[in-house]
Amino acid sequence: DAKTTQPNSMESNEEEPVHLPCNHSTISGTDYIHWYRQLPSQGPEYVIHGLTSNVNNRMASLAIAEDRKSSTLILHRATLRDAAVYYCILRDVQGTSYGKLTFGQGTILTVHP
Amino acid sequence: EAGVAQSPRYKIIEKRQSVAFWCNPISGHATLYWYQQILGQGPKLLIQFQNNGVVDDSQLPKDRFSAERLKGVDSTLKIQPAKLEDSAVYLCASSLARGDSYEQYFGPGTRLTVT
Repeated sequence: DAKTTQPNSMESNEEEPVHLPCNHSTISGTDYIHWYRQLPSQGPEYVIHGLTSNVNNRMASLAIAEDRKSSTLILHRATLRDAAVYYCILRDVQGTSYGKLTFGQGTILTVHP
Repeated sequence: EAGVAQSPRYKIIEKRQSVAFWCNPISGHATLYWYQQILGQGPKLLIQFQNNGVVDDSQLPKDRFSAERLKGVDSTLKIQPAKLEDSAVYLCASSLARGDSYEQYFGPGTRLTVT
């Protein structure tokens, strides 16, 4: 499985933007970049995903580098509810692993009031 | 829309005992996943079903873990006998299909403590 590298932790203040980086230098041409987050004592929840172009949805934006070896999840205005572990995942679209999510350690985001 | 349901939410057993977890996915979701999440780590996929067939169980410890999805809806995950290292949160997830555009919806998990 292709691997991602994320900082162990990051901190932000409420109502400020947050940029969560992810490196994936061994990404293949068919790997999609997915982001999930896990709030305390809950199961993970989908945030956003993309292949080559930047993506926006109601929760966040995903900026993908031109060479696809890195990406950044952008929370435009952090709230206390955004405090969670954020996982950057390369989703396999081939073979028996088709559709599988392989979680790493993720980034623990702390949001200060 | 109702989410993924799991029960029980918590379970404490002694080592060598057996335990079973139940999952009811979102209605109409063909793909079902069981993950194991050890404290401080990300979830690890144990098994993946497409309807009632297994498509990936490469990381399931088959000497003690088993899972089934009868009729392509509900699923159960069983551990027999349990070991101390099985203490973890067991998460069930479902998606409409296996394709990459289909997000996975996770249940709240079952926290298992083996003493």
